[in-house]
Amino acid sequence: DAGITQSPRHKVTETGTPVTLRCHQTENHRYMYWYRQDPGHGLRLIHYSYGVKDTDKGEVSDGYSVSRSKTEDFLLTLESATSSQTSVYFCAISDQQGRGHTPQHFGDGTRLSIL
Amino acid sequence: SQQGEEDPQALSIQEGENATMNCSYKTSINNLQWYRQNSGRGLVHLILIRSNEREKHSGRLRVTLDTSKKSSSLLITASRAADTASYFCATDAGTYKYIFGTGTRLKVLA
Repeated sequence: DAGITQSPRHKVTETGTPVTLRCHQTENHRYMYWYRQDPGHGLRLIHYSYGVKDTDKGEVSDGYSVSRSKTEDFLLTLESATSSQTSVYFCAISDQQGRGHTPQHFGDGTRLSIL
Repeated sequence: SQQGEEDPQALSIQEGENATMNCSYKTSINNLQWYRQNSGRGLVHLILIRSNEREKHSGRLRVTLDTSKKSSSLLITASRAADTASYFCATDAGTYKYIFGTGTRLKVLA
């Protein structure tokens, strides 16, 4: 498996609290992604990074922020968690390959419950 | 929305039968990929087909791509109980981002 680790794997917290999820990779890949997965919606992109300190929004970025201060770590922060952010969060990595990208490698997810 | 859609949403077959699932998408692509997700795990890449390819094989997997119809199909031959999983297509439009479909849940009965 590609070296990608998500932490924590499970978290339960209360509405209004800040939450930070961490994604760590050992592959030195350029691109990192945060997705959320909800029944009936598949995977939806929250934010992605195309290099250190280079990030951009995905389709469901409201309520989330990210930071990438070094190649191997990509942090997802919920500034003030809401119940609608209860979900399973996946991190993925990929690299440049020609005009496209290598297939994405995924972490095993973080199951986040906001009560 | 640029999201792809898989069809059917769920599929139940007997072991040994073939399973076919389809994916439609909306934009021009560089390549299309299929992923498998076992329960409680992350997605695992299965196969990639480039926009200038029409068919690709990998073991028991066969993928076709019709760019004129913006559609792809994944065929799993001689299915096994271990193939039980959700299957997703993802399109790479060359903009750093992948667009995933909503998935097909496949159940293979022993």
